[in-house]
Order: sequence, then structure tokens, then C-alpha cells
Amino acid sequence: KNEVEQSPQNLTAQEGEFITINCSYSVGISALHWLQQHPGGGIVSLFMLSSGKKKHGRLIATINIQEKHSSLHITASHPRDSAVYICAVRSMNYGGSQGNLIFGKGTKLSVKP
Amino acid sequence: EPEVTQTPSHQVTQMGQEVILRCVPISNHLYFYWYRQILGQKVEFLVSFYNNEISEKSEIFDDQFSVERPDGSNFTLKIRSTKLEDSAMYFCASSGVNEKLFFGSGTQLSVL
Repeated sequence: KNEVEQSPQNLTAQEGEFITINCSYSVGISALHWLQQHPGGGIVSLFMLSSGKKKHGRLIATINIQEKHSSLHITASHPRDSAVYICAVRSMNYGGSQGNLIFGKGTKLSVKP
Repeated sequence: EPEVTQTPSHQVTQMGQEVILRCVPISNHLYFYWYRQILGQKVEFLVSFYNNEISEKSEIFDDQFSVERPDGSNFTLKIRSTKLEDSAMYFCASSGVNEKLFFGSGTQLSVL
């Protein structure tokens, strides 16, 4: 059983489209991370959130704690946004380190020019 | 922006050999982590390290693995007696308190 589920698994969009990637989780959490994994393998942290909404440039992340659901939105998508987007959560059952995360399988996004 | 540095980027080793993967976390960070990603699979947490000791570890992180901060800058992952199934990308990360994680670019370990 996957504690973190992402949808869709794969997503192809045209440049300029508005994109939404969803993440649902089954455990109580203290924080949720959105990560971007580049084709070369490197990982960049986009957001860490525990409630509400955060915005950075064209990226917006929202979380609904009651529904155990988070979304990552990309406005005015661009080919350079092509990457794997990973949702990861920190379970409330863990007592210490904030890096003890449960990862989703990722959403592979491809933005065509 | 400050970076987490990992070396080497690629490591090939023979089954049964020991390997040491190296990381230089961001200088003012206090928390350090190792993760692995087997090809085609999701990222998995291995271990977190704070105040010169392991603070949490996963079931994957058994006696074959160890971590060390030998000086004020390096953070290492040692894998003893490597097995074929240890082949993976290993990521180091660091963070401050209640802050987002900063990841290194990874070390691709191939065990032959």
C-alpha cells in the first residue's frame, strides 16, 4: 500500500498551459514537500508546507490537511518545466528529523513547445 | 545559492567491496540526510544525522551502512560488502531547522 499517491503518473502539456499535479496521502503529516527531479537526476526542493498555500514565481502549492491532499500548479508552463515532480510527506509518527520522508512515485511532466 | 556537493558523481565497484560516498552539506545547516533511488523506483529515506549522531534511520539502513561526519565539513555514507542490489543513485541533503531540504546532485553507484 502506497502511503503517498500522485496523479497523474505522466503528463504531457503544450507550452503555456496551466498544469496541476495532485498528491494524496494516507498518514497524518507534519509537513509536505514538493520536489523537482531533473532529467539528469538532481533533486531541487520547491516547497515545504504544512497548511494553506505557497507561491514562488509560476509555481503554486496548496494543501488541505483535512482532505489529506495537496496540489502543485504551474502557470504558463514552459519546456524547461519538463521534469519529474515528487510529493513527499513527513509523518506525524516520526519524532525527530524533518528529512525522514515518505516519497511518492513522481509525476513525469513533459511540456512541448 | 549555496549548494550541497557530492563526490564522486559515479562509482563503480565490485560486489563485496566497501565504498564511501562523500557529501559536503551547506555550511550553516545542522541536519544531514542520505537517500537512495533505485533505477525506476521512488526515492527512499536512509538516515538522518544531527549533533554528530544518527537521529533516525529506516529499515534499509542496516549494519551494512554507516555514516560519519569526520570533520567540520564532510558527511560520508559507507557501504560495507556491497551487494548487487545496492546499485542506486544516492543523494545527500541538508537543512536548517524546519526548513526545506537542499539536495546534492547524487552519486550513481554501480555494483558489478
